[in-house]
Amino acid sequence: DADVTQTPRNRITKTGKRIMLECSQTKGHDRMYWYRQDPGLGLRLIYYSFDVKDINKGEISDGYSVSRQAQAKFSLSLESAIPNQTALYFCATSDPTGGPDTGELFFGEGSRLTVL
Amino acid sequence: AQKITQTQPGMFVQEKEAVTLDCTYDTSDQSYGLFWYKQPSSGEMIFLIYQGSYDEQNATEGRYSLNFQKARKSANLVISASQLGDSAMYFCAMRELTTSGTYKYIFGTGTRLKVLA
Repeated sequence: DADVTQTPRNRITKTGKRIMLECSQTKGHDRMYWYRQDPGLGLRLIYYSFDVKDINKGEISDGYSVSRQAQAKFSLSLESAIPNQTALYFCATSDPTGGPDTGELFFGEGSRLTVL
Repeated sequence: AQKITQTQPGMFVQEKEAVTLDCTYDTSDQSYGLFWYKQPSSGEMIFLIYQGSYDEQNATEGRYSLNFQKARKSANLVISASQLGDSAMYFCAMRELTTSGTYKYIFGTGTRLKVLA
């Protein structure tokens, strides 16, 4: 099983619908992130969380909300989906530097969302 | 604002040749980390290589090396002996420490590499 799991992997929805993308991890990392990927724009940070009590907005948080239900779970919600939120969404985790890790991000497999 | 720039939207390289993917960054922090990720057509993000801002030697991982020029704020990825399986999108990323003590990672727009047989 993957260390960082995203559900659903693919979703087609309609404008105005509420959508939740879920992320769970077994790496034991405190830090979790949500990114969206659009062609030509790379990955852009939506929200990130240091721990269950810490939620921070990224560069493109408008239209999104998140919930950190537990250390291992970080969900992204689109309260009222619109077509320009059609994108590939990634959840990622990281471990603090200072240990043997380089502190790289560990990504889930991505959730492809299409809003019609 | 911190920024990552990848100026090559697409590149071609002949199989078995070396290729350099460019990345420049902008930060006022003294401590930061630089990363390269590979994204094949299947979509997953694969970590390739890391360079810390205080590392004096260029990082290497197998056929991947990072040409780190701190004064120029560049962190180019060099792939030696290209293989067909290297065809993918490549992202440069930088980790920076925020004022709240968390780490934030920002990404460039990517370079799509095509290896020709």
